[in-house]
Amino acid sequence: NAGVTQTPKFQVLKTGQSMTLQCAQDMNHNSMYWYRQDPGMGLRLIYYSASEGTTDKGEVPNGYNVSRLNKREFSLRLESAAPSQTSVYFCASSEANHRIRNSPLHFGNGTRLTVT
Amino acid sequence: GENVEQHPSTLSVQEGDSAVIKCTYSDSASNYFPWYKQELGKRPQLIIDIRSNVGEKKDQRIAVTLNKTAKHFSLHITETQPEDSAVYFCAASKNNYGQNFVFGPGTRLSVLP
Repeated sequence: NAGVTQTPKFQVLKTGQSMTLQCAQDMNHNSMYWYRQDPGMGLRLIYYSASEGTTDKGEVPNGYNVSRLNKREFSLRLESAAPSQTSVYFCASSEANHRIRNSPLHFGNGTRLTVT
Repeated sequence: GENVEQHPSTLSVQEGDSAVIKCTYSDSASNYFPWYKQELGKRPQLIIDIRSNVGEKKDQRIAVTLNKTAKHFSLHITETQPEDSAVYFCAASKNNYGQNFVFGPGTRLSVLP
């Protein structure tokens, strides 16, 4: 049982390049999330998916797109990377659905992205 | 939308002393409050959580208290140990489908031996 797995662990991009961050969970969780973490700013929600086939914007969605490929996988895409997107990105999942509420987040190990 | 403030931003204590971290939230509809510990270079991990129908919860050396009227909740760590050194994040969420968590900016706790 690996929990939440993110790839890659590290990535360096040049401004304007694109990439996709991959995330998969094996806990049969319903909800999945992408957060970014910047020094002194805590964790800010980029996008989340409450169930397979649905996605919703979080606090900082600009410059990102997501795909909930199936129940297990939730990817984050940067179409044209900018230096302001240099950050640590965490994927998370939870059991939460329309019947299960107040369920904690389980985080992956993070992707450290640098955009030059 | 929800706003979560957290104080202090840094905290140093001597080993064996207690540490208290406080958070305030703005949305009275928030009803679930988890705390996460993040060691350097690692992922955040849940250490304790509390729901709005409970005023206090304890798990060994860790406790959380909630004051719904004042809209604040606190993390208490007793008998601190060097391995408690980490960044601690509080969070708040509402009982809605999708469960959008809002996190505080974090507290860096250093336990000095």
